[in-house]
Amino acid sequence: QKEVEQNSGPLSVPEGAIASLNCTYSDRVSQSFFWYRQYSGKSPELIMSIYSNGDKEDGRFTAQLNKASQYVSLLIRDSQPSDSATYLCAVNPGTYKYIFGTGTRLKVLA
Amino acid sequence: DVKVTQSSRYLVKRTGEKVFLECVQDMDHENMFWYRQDPGLGLRLIYFSYDVKMKEKGDIPEGYSVSREKKERFSLILESASTNQTSMYLCASSLSGRATDTQYFGPGTRLTVL
Repeated sequence: QKEVEQNSGPLSVPEGAIASLNCTYSDRVSQSFFWYRQYSGKSPELIMSIYSNGDKEDGRFTAQLNKASQYVSLLIRDSQPSDSATYLCAVNPGTYKYIFGTGTRLKVLA
Repeated sequence: DVKVTQSSRYLVKRTGEKVFLECVQDMDHENMFWYRQDPGLGLRLIYFSYDVKMKEKGDIPEGYSVSREKKERFSLILESASTNQTSMYLCASSLSGRATDTQYFGPGTRLTVL
């Protein structure tokens, strides 16, 4: 079982819709969770981090964490074509290392 | 703003050449990382460093070495490049060893080994 799992997609949503990206992780002691956006040919850039159960909102983005279910998600409201990218979920189990999922490719259709 | 820079965006080398990839961060971060990213395989950790002259192997260290002589600079060395090392190489840094610290990435170096 992979340590951090994401559906590779592509996830296609129409412009203006809500995109829902999901991530599950296997290490129960994981403490912090990060969502990165990566455009094709570019490096990952941080969108949000979340450390406590519940929701965390930043503009059009909402991260949701459920440690009991070992599940973290990212919601993108009012999706725009510029949101089309690969979204990486990363988990830190409390060490120097960060464990990345392979990413979900999002396509926002104009 | 955290800034992580890498010496080259694109690099083409021949099989057997020694290759140096350099990374510099300007935010006094303690930790620095080298990853490679390949389609379908995601980000794989090659090496990381938590202090000057300190290094730890990541998940795929074979064929690579690293050097950290100064806090701001972390170099990845391919002693004898091979075609299976063709990849996107990403450097990252984080402030310290706290789990809540964010990793910041450089722009990446796309290395092609012919």
